[in-house]
Amino acid sequence: DVKVTQSSRYLVKRTGEKVFLECVQDMDHENMFWYRQDPGLGLRLIYFSYDVKMKEKGDIPEGYSVSREKKERFSLILESASTNQTSMYLCASSGSGRSYEQYFGPGTRLTVT
Amino acid sequence: RKEVEQDPGPFNVPEGATVAFNCTYSNSASQSFFWYRQDCRKEPKLLMSVYSSGNEDGRFTAQLNRASQYISLLIRDSKLSDSATYLCVVLPTDSWGKLQFGAGTQVVVTP
Repeated sequence: DVKVTQSSRYLVKRTGEKVFLECVQDMDHENMFWYRQDPGLGLRLIYFSYDVKMKEKGDIPEGYSVSREKKERFSLILESASTNQTSMYLCASSGSGRSYEQYFGPGTRLTVT
Repeated sequence: RKEVEQDPGPFNVPEGATVAFNCTYSNSASQSFFWYRQDCRKEPKLLMSVYSSGNEDGRFTAQLNRASQYISLLIRDSKLSDSATYLCVVLPTDSWGKLQFGAGTQVVVTP
């Protein structure tokens, strides 16, 4: 069974804090993704990575950065958290080739006060 | 305009009834299509892929209409456990595996 884990299920941070969200997958997947999910807006892609040390901007990268130093680990960084970054953050991974099924972690519900 | 559009619902369905809903996509070059299921406060999980000829998986039937650019999902003999949000997902060609997600259709099955 594919397993994608995220470092925290719930997180509360203050405005201006630096926030690290970590994601680890155990299936040797090449591709990893960070999304945020908000009511009525669905899943929006923040960043993705198709290889170690490679990263590409998604649809809403502003205010975020990422790091992928090892194949199994993909970190999302909020350099200076703001209240509009309160959201559910979901990490996913997928293999390459014809099967692009994405496997998701359980999500981190981040509240910025 | 959103790239993948879905009726948000909710679709309230009596147990045992049939429910069907669609989604439309804007990128005609899309190559693969999926339905994901998301339970309340849980992560999305793949329900089924959608093939050009249509396909069934138990009580679930998915159809693809490339000419009109829509995908449908039909659930027969609805169970209480089918209550969830169903996400329509599209993979455009040359997208490096980046899926496009609809915002979801909520289905509520009632006793």
